[in-house]
Amino acid sequence: DSGVTQTPKHLITATGQRVTLRCSPRSGDLSVYWYQQSLDQGLQFLIQYYNGEERAKGNILERFSAQQFPDLHSELNLSSLELGDSALYFCASSHTGAATYGYTFGSGTRLTVV
Amino acid sequence: GQQVMQIPQYQHVQEGEDFTTYCNSSTTLSNIQWYKQRPGGHPVFLIQLVKSGEVKKQKRLTFQFGEAKKNSSLHITATQTTDVGTYFCAGEGGSYIPTFGRGTSLIVHP
Repeated sequence: DSGVTQTPKHLITATGQRVTLRCSPRSGDLSVYWYQQSLDQGLQFLIQYYNGEERAKGNILERFSAQQFPDLHSELNLSSLELGDSALYFCASSHTGAATYGYTFGSGTRLTVV
Repeated sequence: GQQVMQIPQYQHVQEGEDFTTYCNSSTTLSNIQWYKQRPGGHPVFLIQLVKSGEVKKQKRLTFQFGEAKKNSSLHITATQTTDVGTYFCAGEGGSYIPTFGRGTSLIVHP
């Protein structure tokens, strides 16, 4: 157990639907990062939140949004889902605003869009 | 933008053989991190290299950071079946967000 909790572990949904992925960072970590992992694109950085504020944005689609709540858990919202959104979505956390000592990843949410 | 290339994409070895994966960045890095992802698992942080020419060892794993801080390598001596997985490098430039390479999948045949 890495200390980063992601739910749900698996999600199957239809095209056009909306889903919410949840992440609780490791105790004491202030930063949450969201990554998408697909076979053809590898690990792609989506977005980072630090202590409730958006800190950095990567290749995140406009259909996707995220937020970090006062208790530091984060949610990634994916809407108008397409088949190509099927992937593993990882959340990672770090103590500071930078991954100076590496990320701690959660076990991921496997999203399948049918 | 910053690009991190990692080769090879796959490597098959017999148990006991050595293994090396290479990582090259298009820009100078402030640091480079290495992660291991077991099949069906999540990436696990292995190590971070910061200094030019730095070499660090973890048991049978040797990590190197190039003198120009644009390349790195991970070498595993005498592979074991427990080494199976995908090894990722992640290079951090000026944005504090590491860019991940595509990874090298190591397959060890007993």
